[in-house]
Amino acid sequence: QLQLQESGPGLVKPSETLSLTCIVSGGSISSGDYYWAWIRQPPGKGLEWIGSINYSGSTWYNPSLKSRVTISVDTSKNQFSLKLSSVTAADTVVYYCTRHTPGSGYLNWGQGTLVTVSS
Amino acid sequence: QSVLTQPPSVSAAPGQKVTISCSGSSSNIGDKNNYVSWYQQFPGTAPKLLIYDNSKRPSGIPDRFSGSKSGTSATLGITGLLTGDEADYYCGTWDSSLSAHVFGTGTKVTVL
Repeated sequence: QLQLQESGPGLVKPSETLSLTCIVSGGSISSGDYYWAWIRQPPGKGLEWIGSINYSGSTWYNPSLKSRVTISVDTSKNQFSLKLSSVTAADTVVYYCTRHTPGSGYLNWGQGTLVTVSS
Repeated sequence: QSVLTQPPSVSAAPGQKVTISCSGSSSNIGDKNNYVSWYQQFPGTAPKLLIYDNSKRPSGIPDRFSGSKSGTSATLGITGLLTGDEADYYCGTWDSSLSAHVFGTGTKVTVL
């Protein structure tokens, strides 16, 4: 059964870069049938799509975050990563990594990780 | 802010039916090439996919949950309401104008 696990610092300083990794187990990230995405959620609020990547490295980003976001994939480690630059307090949210088929629903989710932006 | 609008809350007694609407526009739900999905989320946990491709259920999701799409709106139905259905529910789809996946504002279901 496919499992996703987010990892990375839980505390980032303002103006620095947030870096998270999603480790995929129980399935190959190289499967051409699926895309891999990051979604975030402020505590008590709604969901926001950050962006998606496929196994070959093609990316799609939320225009509202595009200038600050980089998503990459490492097929050798079966993981994909998120970098969000110039963070502010508004980036203090729970970050989820997910798997989806193109144009379809997000079937598999990590447990989520809270990242706090604070000095 | 979200481009998909949902009612903040709906409620019903156990065993009854609730419907949750998700209102969008011609660039998202109204685009025939864009499919709607629905998610259930309990406090402190990750969302769970309930409906994908407008009306399909992933394996393991009971047929008490149903989805439909018409025009620029979509609807999630829950029949035979259980206390365990108390959660937040979100719709989502691709927006062709924004070139982004968008989610609804979320609806809290309360079982009276």
